[in-house]
Amino acid sequence: EIVLTQSPGTLSLSPGERATLSCRASQSVSSSYLAWYQQKPGQGPRLLIYAASRRATGIPDRFSGSGSGTDFTLTISRLEPEDFAVYYCQQFGSSVCSFGQGTKLEIK
Amino acid sequence: QITLKESGPTMVKPTQTLTLTCTVSGFSLSTSGVSVGWIRQPPGKALEWLALIYWDDDKRYSPSLKSRLLVTKDTSKNQVVLIMTNMDPVDTATYYCAQSPVLEWFAFDSWGQGTLVTVSS
Repeated sequence: EIVLTQSPGTLSLSPGERATLSCRASQSVSSSYLAWYQQKPGQGPRLLIYAASRRATGIPDRFSGSGSGTDFTLTISRLEPEDFAVYYCQQFGSSVCSFGQGTKLEIK
Repeated sequence: QITLKESGPTMVKPTQTLTLTCTVSGFSLSTSGVSVGWIRQPPGKALEWLALIYWDDDKRYSPSLKSRLLVTKDTSKNQVVLIMTNMDPVDTATYYCAQSPVLEWFAFDSWGQGTLVTVSS
């Protein structure tokens, strides 16, 4: 089973700054099966990025994904107030799906 | 417009069996490439994947929970059902169903609102 480790656990930044979130896999992951989600308090997750780098429908272009193999990154180029939330990476490999433990992006 | 909605009991007792239903609209459970998954989230904790069922009735389960889970679908009713046996207080969580639309890539791009299930005597 592939374990996803996200870092940092909490990221404190100000609006307008750049956010870089990391997701490291215990084994190589196919880029087609790596996704990122945003979750705000009291809401369900929302798909941001699929296939490692493709933005989901309606997602602003300040969100971008990159990486391959075992190291993946979600970048938010300029933080807006509505971007402060928890972010999860997720993979599907060897017929098993798993999520990372999440990164909380908080206002500094 | 694709929608998914979870339904089932809000509370179960320890050792009981939980049955949750996901009713979908805007797509067919028999469309090639479609899969529906179940994911849960204990209060204040991370997302945990539970199970997945494909359009062709192939199924996948979390290795750590496989012995307690069963996922089925009824295409004619547009429903996916999750059964979890031997419930325990640690299973208290919000349970979500979600859809991944194609095989070429995998991601849950449509989610239900979630249903909170509390396990308590």
